[in-house]
Amino acid sequence: QQQVKQSPQSLIVQKGGISIINCAYENTAFDYFPWYQQFPGKGPALLIAIRPDVSEKKEGRFTISFNKSAKQFSLHIMDSQPGDSATYFCAASIAGANSKLTFGKGITLSVRP
Amino acid sequence: DVKVTQSSRYLVKRTGEKVFLECVQDMDHENMFWYRQDPGLGLRLIYFSYDVKMKEKGDIPEGYSVSREKKERFSLILESASTNQTSMYLCASTAAGGFDEQYFGPGTRLTVT
Repeated sequence: QQQVKQSPQSLIVQKGGISIINCAYENTAFDYFPWYQQFPGKGPALLIAIRPDVSEKKEGRFTISFNKSAKQFSLHIMDSQPGDSATYFCAASIAGANSKLTFGKGITLSVRP
Repeated sequence: DVKVTQSSRYLVKRTGEKVFLECVQDMDHENMFWYRQDPGLGLRLIYFSYDVKMKEKGDIPEGYSVSREKKERFSLILESASTNQTSMYLCASTAAGGFDEQYFGPGTRLTVT
């Protein structure tokens, strides 16, 4: 049973456009929702994260929107740039669970110049 | 600058060989993780450790074992490598607490022939 599901599977966006990646989760005990970004040849790195006590968190061009009742959260990348081309993973964890993350399958974002 | 290092970037082994993948972190983190990354399957947790000599199975532990004799070092062992273990292996570490960033190493691309 896949506990964290990402959509779409891949995404192509024009430079300057908005990239939107969605994530749905099953386990209502999850209470930490990070997004990781991975460039080719590198390990994933934390991009932005949210706790369920807020509905939105913004850091620069990156925003997480969180909908607790729908058990969904999404990543919005405003003014997408070719340098944003990477693989994006959503994840979820439960406090006190030794920081163990459950990852989605990842999506590849390509931003066309 | 925080750092997670992995012993090899690329490794080629023969079927049936015993394989050791080493991971070292310099952040005094309690928790360490081994993942494998495969196209279309995302990041899957093999094993994790929350203290020296402590380990727990992740989602796909079959065919793998781990060792953590020192806090900074976490080893993944393939007792008898098989071709279906050809993959990218990623090590990560994080402080205890539940909401801290997982820091990833650059990965080891293992090919079993």
